[in-house]
Amino acid sequence: GDSVTQMEGPVTLSEEAFLTINCTYTATGYPSLFWYVQYPGEGLQLLLKATKADDKGSNKGFEATYRKETTSFHLEKGSVQVSDSAVYFCALRNFGNEKLTFGTGTRLTIIP
Amino acid sequence: DTEVTQTPKHLVMGMTNKKSLKCEQHMGHRAMYWYKQKAKKPPELMFVYSYEKLSINESVPSRFSPECPNSSLLNLHLHALQPEDSALYLCASSLSEGQMAFFGQGTRLTVV
Repeated sequence: GDSVTQMEGPVTLSEEAFLTINCTYTATGYPSLFWYVQYPGEGLQLLLKATKADDKGSNKGFEATYRKETTSFHLEKGSVQVSDSAVYFCALRNFGNEKLTFGTGTRLTIIP
Repeated sequence: DTEVTQTPKHLVMGMTNKKSLKCEQHMGHRAMYWYKQKAKKPPELMFVYSYEKLSINESVPSRFSPECPNSSLLNLHLHALQPEDSALYLCASSLSEGQMAFFGQGTRLTVV
């Protein structure tokens, strides 16, 4: 079955540091890939997505590139802010499948 | 309007109570979902409605009963819940399969 593996957290960084959160997946076919963010006490917000190989999703300074050869979709940001502190979920959905498969989530804390 | 609205935001109920969670979207999405999220865990899919018909039930106990009265509304009826059912319940919607899902803010349910 489909699965998503994220790097273990929690991750703590200083403000303006470079961020990478690793995500790899196992899936048949050609899934769409997503990063969702969950701020404390809130629901999930879609951060970015990519629907085919070599697509780059980007939003709010975050980027992730769909790498089919390495089955990866790593999240990066060049300079993090305190307001980026949240839990980040990598997820995939296969075509024709209503189900989103989530990774376990990575808790990110940015300190001033 | 790009929102999924869930009510109530918080709910405390006894094990003998009957209550309902509500979810509404006006984006013309034809797929709607209920997810359950325990603390520090990713969301787990419960139900999927596609074109107002139940398409996926992830072996959810019958004390949870979903209902989709029309394409904009999704309810989750609760009856005789257990304390371990306490969680954040998230509603989501998407245009169709393979499309990105928009999540609501969730209802934080506590069963006492």
